[in-house]
Amino acid sequence: GQSLEQPSEVTAVEGAIVQINCTYQTSGFYGLSWYQQHDGGAPTFLSYNALDGLEETGRFSSFLSRSDSYGYLLLQELQMKDSASYFCAVRSAPRANQGGKLIFGQGTELSVKP
Amino acid sequence: DGGITQSPKYLFRKEGQNVTLSCEQNLNHDAMYWYRQDPGQGLRLIYYSQIVNDFQKGDIAEGYSVSREKKESFPLTVTSAQKNPTAFYLCASSPQGLARSTDTQYFGPGTRLTVL
Repeated sequence: GQSLEQPSEVTAVEGAIVQINCTYQTSGFYGLSWYQQHDGGAPTFLSYNALDGLEETGRFSSFLSRSDSYGYLLLQELQMKDSASYFCAVRSAPRANQGGKLIFGQGTELSVKP
Repeated sequence: DGGITQSPKYLFRKEGQNVTLSCEQNLNHDAMYWYRQDPGQGLRLIYYSQIVNDFQKGDIAEGYSVSREKKESFPLTVTSAQKNPTAFYLCASSPQGLARSTDTQYFGPGTRLTVL
């Protein structure tokens, strides 16, 4: 089967740095995305990696190692508003076959404490 | 404003009744998706559509049906055959094509369905 593994919970303090890991086992790999979802809200796109390396977007960075089937989301200078669930998602098939269909992980609930 | 809307936000139904959840987008996106989310869980794909008049089953399609008669609309019907329909339902859309942006999905605010 196809699966994505990420920790269920992470706790950190304001101003700190936190890393949320994601390992995947999929039939194919065409990109890793990260989404943020506040309680009761809709997921919103944060970051995307198709090639190995680090992508930086403000306080958030995302890393991918295709040889290790592994990626992470790095959140710096944590703020209280960063308390949310974070999902990694993989596109496992070419767009010509299944469009933009994504497989989502179970999500990591991040709690930021004062 | 461009976006994706879902209605209603909260929906209650009695067991044995079919119910249809609305999803509309004005982003001119070709692809649309329906997900189900249970408490503390990730998103599971119910159905998706890459183009008008075409759709494919996702991982948990049993007990659900969809239609895609217009590019802007992708309604989901939860039928009485769905054994445990109480959940948060999310609709999303994404552009087609080869640009990396097509991996970005834009989500609606969701419909919380409760079966009484």
